[in-house]
Amino acid sequence: GDSVTQMEGPVTLSEEAFLTINCTYTATGYPSLFWYVQYPGEGLQLLLKATKADDKGSNKGFEATYRKETTSFHLEKGSVQVSDSAVYFCAPLGGSYIPTFGRGTSLIVHP
Amino acid sequence: DVKVTQSSRYLVKRTGEKVFLECVQDMDHENMFWYRQDPGLGLRLIYFSYDVKMKEKGDIPEGYSVSREKKERFSLILESASTNQTSMYLCASSPDSRTEAFFGQGTRLTVV
Repeated sequence: GDSVTQMEGPVTLSEEAFLTINCTYTATGYPSLFWYVQYPGEGLQLLLKATKADDKGSNKGFEATYRKETTSFHLEKGSVQVSDSAVYFCAPLGGSYIPTFGRGTSLIVHP
Repeated sequence: DVKVTQSSRYLVKRTGEKVFLECVQDMDHENMFWYRQDPGLGLRLIYFSYDVKMKEKGDIPEGYSVSREKKERFSLILESASTNQTSMYLCASSPDSRTEAFFGQGTRLTVV
């Protein structure tokens, strides 16, 4: 089945720092790739997605590029804010229709 | 907007009780899922359903069952609650195999 490996957290940054959260995956077929975000006490919500190789998904200043050759989908943001503090999940959706999630990466941004 | 609604945000139940967690989605999605989320373990799939009255076991189905009598509603049942089922439970739905999942707000269940 599908699987995903994310960098361990928590990631602690100061406001306006650059963020990278690494994600590599294995999936059957030609997967769609997603990043979800979970704010404290809430369910997950879609942050961005990419459906084919070399596509770049973007939203709220976050970006991730679908790299088929390295099976990666790393999340980046040039300048984080305190309000970005949350847990981030990388999720491939491959041959099955079942979303697969990693353990998530907690991001803590200090003022 | 797609909406997935879980019946309770917080629940406290006693050991041995039968517990029902309800989830309703309003976008006619075919697929529905139940996950539990625990610190350090991420999201683990309990059960899923791809059609009315159809259900499939996920990775950790022991101690749980599900019901999907109508397309919009997917219920998770804890037959006899135990303290190790204390967790955050997340319901999700999706329309197909290429589109993102939509999540409810979660139910934090405490079994005492």
